[in-house]
Amino acid sequence: EVQLVESGGGLVQPGGSLRLSCAAFGFTFSRPWMYWVRQAPGEGLVWVSRINSDGSSTNYADSVKGRFTISRDNTKNTLYLQMNSLRAEDTAVYYCARDGFDIWGQGTMVTVSS
Amino acid sequence: DVVMTQSPLSLPVTLGQPASISCRSSQSLVSSDGNTYLNWFQQRPGQSPRRLIYKVSNRDSGVPDRFSGSGSGTDFTLKISRVEAEDVGVYYCMQGTYWPKTFGQGTKVEIK
Repeated sequence: EVQLVESGGGLVQPGGSLRLSCAAFGFTFSRPWMYWVRQAPGEGLVWVSRINSDGSSTNYADSVKGRFTISRDNTKNTLYLQMNSLRAEDTAVYYCARDGFDIWGQGTMVTVSS
Repeated sequence: DVVMTQSPLSLPVTLGQPASISCRSSQSLVSSDGNTYLNWFQQRPGQSPRRLIYKVSNRDSGVPDRFSGSGSGTDFTLKISRVEAEDVGVYYCMQGTYWPKTFGQGTKVEIK
């Protein structure tokens, strides 16, 4: 079955760090661009970051630039999002998605609070 | 960035009746390759988004044929021919023609 499974969310204090993971199953992970999208409580969908197939090209939303780092390990079929210097406004469900947005993970909740 | 504007933001509907959601983009979504990358997503309560429609009018596998997409240029529409209880949720349009990809604000569909 084609699916994406996120993990790594949790409660963290402002200024702290978290690393999210997204494991891919059922398709050739090394081919597509991959994305992180987030959704704050009660809000809409917002793109966060993307990475190309071999990891050599990345893009970030202005709100996370310099604080978040996207990466991938095609040998482990896994996408990552390293989140540093977290702020209250980063509180959201974080989804990974395949290029084309036809496959989404179940989401992992990140709560930034003291 | 391309701004995607949906209307209405809230849509109460009667079971069995049609529903229509509008999505307008701040610039034409026709790509240099001739395609128009406009997607529609459904997000049921407590679930991840699910793609329903891609490139304006193409239904994804498993999507009921009561869902249809249409439009061109900057104006797009998602129609549900007869709303069922399982259609409750928030619907988003998203443009994939330009970087960064951008979403509409979402339209909440609920049963009257």
